Amino acid sequence: EIELTQSPGTLSLSPGERATLSCRASQSISSNYLAWYQQKPGQAPRVLIYAASSRATGIPDRFSGSGSGTDFTLTISRLEPEDFAIYYCQQYGSSWYTFGQGTKLEIK
Amino acid sequence: EVQLVESGGGLVKPGGSLRISCAASGFIFGRYSMNWVRQAPGKGLEWISSISSESSYIFYADSVKGRFTISRDNAKASLYLQLNSLRPEDTAVYYCARDPYRSGWFDGWGQGTLVAVSP
Repeated sequence: EIELTQSPGTLSLSPGERATLSCRASQSISSNYLAWYQQKPGQAPRVLIYAASSRATGIPDRFSGSGSGTDFTLTISRLEPEDFAIYYCQQYGSSWYTFGQGTKLEIK
Repeated sequence: EVQLVESGGGLVKPGGSLRISCAASGFIFGRYSMNWVRQAPGKGLEWISSISSESSYIFYADSVKGRFTISRDNAKASLYLQLNSLRPEDTAVYYCARDPYRSGWFDGWGQGTLVAVSP
């Protein structure tokens, strides 16, 4: 099982600032099979990024993903009020998919 | 538009069973792998099972292997999860999720159905 560790646990920023979220894997993820999801209270998750850096359909270009191997990053270039939520990374490089524990992005 | 609607959740006693369903619309269900992902109250996401488009490949997380069974009926555009030998730690919102390219990430999610296991 590949374990994913997200940091920080909570990130406090203001609208307009840049957010950098980290996801570290316990072993290398094959073919960079890593996705990022956003979840707001009472809602299902929504995919933002797949294959480490590909934006899903309809996702604004202020969201970007990068990284390879064991270290991955989700960057939100300029925070909008609707971006404050919980973010999860997920690996699908093995037949047993796993999620990180989440990073809560809150308004400062 | 991808629409997934879960149903069948409820309160069940430890050791009990439940079958939850996911009705799909807005896409050709039989062409996609499908998954169940759960989320315990106030906790993160946990993938628990996947099934390929023709049910040829099925996988489970260790936490549910031997107790839960995933299945699908492509003619009815429906996904199912049979939950047996339920434990309090199985209490969660259960989401069905579509895998767009048989790759393992999920581009469509239902609103979830709550399964609560309690005496």
